[in-house]
Amino acid sequence: DSGVTQTPKHLITATGQRVTLRCSPRSGDLSVYWYQQSLDQGLQFLIQYYNGEERAKGNILERFSAQQFPDLHSELNLSSLELGDSALYFCASSTGQGRSYEQYFGPGTRLTVT
Amino acid sequence: GDSVTQMEGPVTLSEEAFLTINCTYTATGYPSLFWYVQYPGEGLQLLLKATKADDKGSNKGFEATYRKETTSFHLEKGSVQVSDSAVYFCALRGGSNYKLTFGKGTLLTVNP
Repeated sequence: DSGVTQTPKHLITATGQRVTLRCSPRSGDLSVYWYQQSLDQGLQFLIQYYNGEERAKGNILERFSAQQFPDLHSELNLSSLELGDSALYFCASSTGQGRSYEQYFGPGTRLTVT
Repeated sequence: GDSVTQMEGPVTLSEEAFLTINCTYTATGYPSLFWYVQYPGEGLQLLLKATKADDKGSNKGFEATYRKETTSFHLEKGSVQVSDSAVYFCALRGGSNYKLTFGKGTLLTVNP
């Protein structure tokens, strides 16, 4: 158990809908990262927050957004969903931002868009 | 940009066989290097890491050495077990970019 929690574990929804994925980082970790894992793209970085502020963006679509709240939990919002958004979404957290800090991953949320 | 190339799988071995999974990288500056493991139906777990050239990361019998001259970080284990069956990801984190860049993953299956 990494100490990072994600809810829900599974999500099935229809095209055009909007969903919110939730992540609670390990106690004391200020940095939260979101990744998408799909069969064709592999594991890709989406976005990073540090202590409530957005710090880095990766291959995140404009239909996707995220935020980190004062209690440090984070939410990833996916809207106007398409079939291609079906994937496993991971949240990770780390104590700091430096390159040597380990990222601890949650169990993931499996999103299926039908 | 940063990139990681790891050997394509799947890799199938018998128990107690020697394992090598090759990983090479391209990055600016001096990245930190990681191996993550994903067991079926689970999230990623950090297996080992190395933060500078010639560092050797090790955990649970797995080892990898940061080779700057060959930009490689190959994963090895002397004697694999059935319980090592999983997908292994090589990753780097470097420069001013704090994200992890992953390889495509290598599926390892160990048969008894």
